[in-house]
Amino acid sequence: RKEVEQDPGPFNVPEGATVAFNCTYSNSASQSFFWYRQDCRKEPKLLMSVYSSGNEDGRFTAQLNRASQYISLLIRDSKLSDSATYLCVVISQGGKLIFGQGTELSVKP
Amino acid sequence: DAGVIQSPRHEVTEMGQEVTLRCKPISGHDYLFWYRQTMMRGLELLIYFNNNVPIDDSGMPEDRFSAKMPNASFSTLKIQPSEPRDSAVYFCASSLSPRSGSNYGYTFGSGTRLTVV
Repeated sequence: RKEVEQDPGPFNVPEGATVAFNCTYSNSASQSFFWYRQDCRKEPKLLMSVYSSGNEDGRFTAQLNRASQYISLLIRDSKLSDSATYLCVVISQGGKLIFGQGTELSVKP
Repeated sequence: DAGVIQSPRHEVTEMGQEVTLRCKPISGHDYLFWYRQTMMRGLELLIYFNNNVPIDDSGMPEDRFSAKMPNASFSTLKIQPSEPRDSAVYFCASSLSPRSGSNYGYTFGSGTRLTVV
């Protein structure tokens, strides 16, 4: 079993739609959690951290459920510019970032 | 801030040749990571260093791969001999020391796209 698992998609949604991505992790000792965004042929870049209480950054909301070892990302009112691959990231003990396979999002006009 | 700098951006080489990828981390970052990304396997951590010392190389695929960090501002990933299945994008990233709740300023370079023919 992979340490971090995501639905690879692709998710094809119209502009303005709400879309949710899910991620599960296997190591209960994992310490920190993030969502990264990767555009085609570019490097991954930090989108947002994920906190136990849930956190929001504009149209983006991240949730963490430690008991279920589950992380989610919700994008509201999606824009064409949101089209990218979204990577779920878990930091293990020792500071290693472990990436999920990524979920591809395509927002259509 | 110049960010993490990798070179070359693209490399095309023939099977059997030696390939050297280079990385300059962000000044002051004491962790350096090498990743490989392919369509099939996604982003895989190959090796990482702390204060120039290799900490975990369990992701290095085989003996043909080696990595060094002779000083705090430079690291290399070498493949010798290269094979077509090594074709991938190789990313270098650097960060500060781990702190709970922080992504430690984790920053990726632009990557090296390697094609072995």
